[in-house]
Formats: sequence, structure tokens, C-alpha cells
Amino acid sequence: DTGVSQNPRHKITKRGQNVTFRCDPISEHNRLYWYRQTLGQGPEFLTYFQNEAQLEKSRLLSDRFSAERPKGSFSTLEIQRTEQGDSAMYLCASSAQTGKTNYGYTFGSGTRLTVV
Amino acid sequence: GEDVEQSLFLSVREGDSSVINCTYTDSSSTYLYWYKQEPGAGLQLLTYIFSNMDMKQDQRLTVLLNKKDKHLSLRIADTQTGDSAIYFCAESYSSASKIIFGSGTRLSIRP
Repeated sequence: DTGVSQNPRHKITKRGQNVTFRCDPISEHNRLYWYRQTLGQGPEFLTYFQNEAQLEKSRLLSDRFSAERPKGSFSTLEIQRTEQGDSAMYLCASSAQTGKTNYGYTFGSGTRLTVV
Repeated sequence: GEDVEQSLFLSVREGDSSVINCTYTDSSSTYLYWYKQEPGAGLQLLTYIFSNMDMKQDQRLTVLLNKKDKHLSLRIADTQTGDSAIYFCAESYSSASKIIFGSGTRLSIRP
């Protein structure tokens, strides 16, 4: 297992277009998280899944954002009608069910979105 | 509410100790973390501490927790150039719940 994989690494899109990002978590991890990070800031929580169930969504996640994890494995994050303010690094992370030594997340390298 | 505060920058001389400080507001935080982010890389978990602990040491890293003041610190002994990065303090209620991050402290090392 090579860790958490995110695709694409970079995406440039025109304002108003839709974009979709993919995250492949570590295979035995049942929890998957999406965060957004802008320059000079820490990651901001967007949403998380336990298996295929979306358990929590941040108020940052407007109606233009939707995330899915249909089979409890990979996840997609779609942004519709992108705006310049959506430009950020989108980070995915995964974690296992609570265990004796499993704390914190494993993060992917992120997808950098630039809306022009 | 949930909030994690850190100073933005720290500059230390190579070989000295670095101390990065953090305060948090959520008294129900059970897990406190330090993450490291190097340029162009993802976040890497450095260490964590449970809220019922005062201190945790792991090689060059020492974490101190003052739960009463909601203050967390990370000490890096014998700071090296490879320690240059942004360090994020973070907290969560449980090991599986969302993690709330601070804005990060950029550590720079001078010769």
C-alpha cells in the first residue's frame, strides 16, 4: 500500500466549470476525510465518511460541493460552478477504526485547484 | 467553540532547541497532535498526546501539555536544517472525530 493517493495533483479550471477530485485511502482504513487548505492557513475540515456513510459536513461545504464514497473505498469531491474563492489545496486523509496505536490521520499530497 | 492558536513564525539557530507553542479552546479535546508540513508535501503526523498526560518524549521531540491553561508545546532538541517546515498544532475529541488544526508555525533554521 502506497498511502493515501489523490488525483489529479493539479487542476486549473475556468470560473463556472465543474471539477471532480478523487481520493484513494489506505485500503484497510474505513474513515475518510476531506480538508481544504489555503495559503498561510491550516487545513479546514470539510466532511468525513465512515465506510460509505457521510457522517459530518462542515458549514464550509456549500451546496456547490458534494462528496461521495459509494462503496466505502475511494471518494470523490465535486465542486460545481467553481468560483475564484474555491482556489485552494484539497486534502484527503484516512484513518482506521479506533485501535490501540492508530491515532491521527494519514494525509495524501493533495489536489491543488486554481480557478481562473 | 473550537479554536487552535499558534504564532506564525519561529527562527532558531542550528543546534539550538526550538519551542513551538499552541493554545486551544475546546476543553473536551481528548487528543492533541503535532503535524509537520514540508514544502510541496502532505501533512505528516509527528506525535500526539492524550489529555490525561502532561508530557510525552519521542527522541528529539518533547510535548508538554498544560490542560488547565489549554496550552500545548513542542520542543525540538538539537534543531537541524531538515526540521525547517510548518508545524501544525491540532486537537480532536476522539481518535476518529474530525481534527481541528491551527494556522501553523513556520520554523526556519539559521546557520
